[in-house]
Amino acid sequence: QLQLQESGPGLLKPAETLSLTCTVSGGSISSTRHYWDWIRQPPGKGLEWIGSIFYSGSTYYSPSLKSRVTMSVDTSKHQFSLELTSVTAADTAVYYCARRSAWLDYWGQGTLVTVSS
Amino acid sequence: NFMLTQPHSVSESPGKTVTISCTRSSGSIANNYVQWYQQRPGSSPTTVIYEDNQRPSGVPDRFSGSIDSSSNSASLTISGLKTEDEADYYCQSYDSSNHVVFGGGTKLTVL
Repeated sequence: QLQLQESGPGLLKPAETLSLTCTVSGGSISSTRHYWDWIRQPPGKGLEWIGSIFYSGSTYYSPSLKSRVTMSVDTSKHQFSLELTSVTAADTAVYYCARRSAWLDYWGQGTLVTVSS
Repeated sequence: NFMLTQPHSVSESPGKTVTISCTRSSGSIANNYVQWYQQRPGSSPTTVIYEDNQRPSGVPDRFSGSIDSSSNSASLTISGLKTEDEADYYCQSYDSSNHVVFGGGTKLTVL
């Protein structure tokens, strides 16, 4: 059974860089049939797509976040990562990693990242 | 780009049928597949419908999906409502650049 697990700091100060890693187990991150996505959900609000990465390193980013987002993949460690620069309180959210084929079929449990001075 | 608009909330009684709509603001709803996700409080979303009307294994046939080109919308219908169906539901599709687009979500109350 495929499992995804997010990890990274839970508390950041404004203007810092958010860095999260998603570790994939029970399946191959080098699949040619899947993308690896990041999605976030501010407290009490809806889902927001951040971006996708393919095992080859090809990326797709949300236009609204593109200027601040970088995603990378390390197939040897079965991990993919998210960096979001210059965070503000508006970036406070639960961050999910997920696998996507034609749909988002496996999700991590999510990790809460709070931005506060 | 386009938006997917959902009602903020719907409510219905156990045993009844409810339909949640998802309207695409521009471009045809038929251009890209629509998925539906269920999110219970404190949990990650799970798929209840993919590719407009397909159910993943394990999802009961009380859940069904459809699209309507005349209203440019997708719909999720849940029949024989159970209290366990109470959750937030999100529609999702893609734009022409393979970007994921989510609807704003609908809170379903079963009372």
